[in-house]
Amino acid sequence: AQSVTQLGSHVSVSEGALVLLRCNYSSSVPPYLFWYVQYPNQGLQLLLKYTSAATLVKGINGFEAEFKKSETSFHLTKPSAHMSDAAEYFCAVTLTGGGNKLTFGTGTQLKVEL
Amino acid sequence: EAGVAQSPRYKIIEKRQSVAFWCNPISGHATLYWYQQILGQGPKLLIQFQNNGVVDDSQLPKDRFSAERLKGVDSTLKIQPAKLEDSAVYLCASSLERTGVGELFFGEGSRLTVL
Repeated sequence: AQSVTQLGSHVSVSEGALVLLRCNYSSSVPPYLFWYVQYPNQGLQLLLKYTSAATLVKGINGFEAEFKKSETSFHLTKPSAHMSDAAEYFCAVTLTGGGNKLTFGTGTQLKVEL
Repeated sequence: EAGVAQSPRYKIIEKRQSVAFWCNPISGHATLYWYQQILGQGPKLLIQFQNNGVVDDSQLPKDRFSAERLKGVDSTLKIQPAKLEDSAVYLCASSLERTGVGELFFGEGSRLTVL
C-alpha cells in the first residue's frame, strides 16, 4: 500500500524567507503525488501534482515541488514566503489507475511571521 | 462555476444520536468522495462513488455509517449512532476522472462535535 510521511507538523518562517515543507512517499509502483493547501475553515485546494512527466512541478501561488525517486521525496518549496501562505499543507499519493483514491499525510501547519 | 456545496457546516450532537450530512458536487462530476478529517490528521477516505455506484467503501464503518448517492448527483452521509470518536470534519469532494489522474475539488466541510 502507498503512504506519505510529512516531516514536521509545524513549520515557522519569516516573511520573505524560503519555505520548505518535506514529504516522503512509500510506494511499490510509480506514484502520482500531490500537494494540497487548506486555509482555515475552508476545503482543500490543489497546489500542484506530479504525474510522471517533468520531475520539477510548478504550482499556484509560486510554489513548486521536485520529485526525487532516489530519495523517495516530493518536497514543497517557495523562494519567498508571504503572510498569505499561512495554512496547512498536505502531501498526498495515489497510484496509476488508483481511481483518484488519495492517501494523505498528516499535514504541516505553516506559520509566517513578520 | 459553483463549487462543492456541503451542509450543515457545523453540528453538535450527543453520543448515540444520529446525524446526516449533505453534499452537492460540481455539476458534471461523476465521481464523489467522502473523507473524514480528525483533528491533527490528514483526510481519510470513507467512501467513493462513481455516478450512483459505490467504487470503494472499504474504510467506511458500516455498522454505524451509511452513504448514498441517489440519481448520481447529491450524496448523503449518515452516522447512527454517533460515538465520541466520530468528532471530525467530514469533507466531500468531486472529480471528473476516475481512472485517470485528476484534481479533486473539496467542499468546506461539515464539522461534527459529539458530546
